[in-house]
Amino acid sequence: EIVLTQSPGTLSLSPGERATLSCRASQSVSSSYLAWYQQKPGQAPRLLIYGASSRATGIPDRFSGSGSGTDFTLTISRLEPEDFAVYYCQQYGSSPQTFGPGTKVDIK
Amino acid sequence: QVQLVQSGAEVKKPGSSVKVSCKASGGTFSSYAISWVRQAPGQGLEWMGGIIPIFGTANYAQKFQGRVTITADESTSTAYMELSSLRSEDTAVYYCARAHDYGHDLDAFDIWGQGTMVTVSS
Repeated sequence: EIVLTQSPGTLSLSPGERATLSCRASQSVSSSYLAWYQQKPGQAPRLLIYGASSRATGIPDRFSGSGSGTDFTLTISRLEPEDFAVYYCQQYGSSPQTFGPGTKVDIK
Repeated sequence: QVQLVQSGAEVKKPGSSVKVSCKASGGTFSSYAISWVRQAPGQGLEWMGGIIPIFGTANYAQKFQGRVTITADESTSTAYMELSSLRSEDTAVYYCARAHDYGHDLDAFDIWGQGTMVTVSS
């Protein structure tokens, strides 16, 4: 099973700042099958990025994903008020699909 | 646009079983994998297993093997997840989620149900 580690656990930033979230895998993720989700309290997760760098339908271009192998990054170029949430990475290159523990982005 | 609508909250006794439904509307059902993902209170996301309805064979995370059964009814565009031998640690929100691309049993999830709270308590 591939274990995903996310850092930092919490990121305290102000609106307009840049957010950089990291996701590291315990072994190489096949074909960059890595996704990122945003989750707000009381809501289901929302897909942001799939295939490590492809934005899902309707996702603003301030969200971008990069990386390959074992190291992946989600960048939010300029934080909007609605971006403060918890972010999860997920690998789907091998079974079982696994999620990271999440990074909470909160308002500084 | 496809929507997934799940059944309502459940309260169960330890040792019992629960069956949660997930009905798809507004698009193709049979060719896309439906997975079940759970989230314990204040915790992260955990994939339990999934099924591609047109193929009918489910794939389970080893942790849940023998305790979970995932099925799909193409005639009603509904997927089901049954979890047995419930214990307090199974208290969680259970989500169904659709694969981003058709025919892939492992995939990102672009459409999610609203979640079903299952509480296990004596």
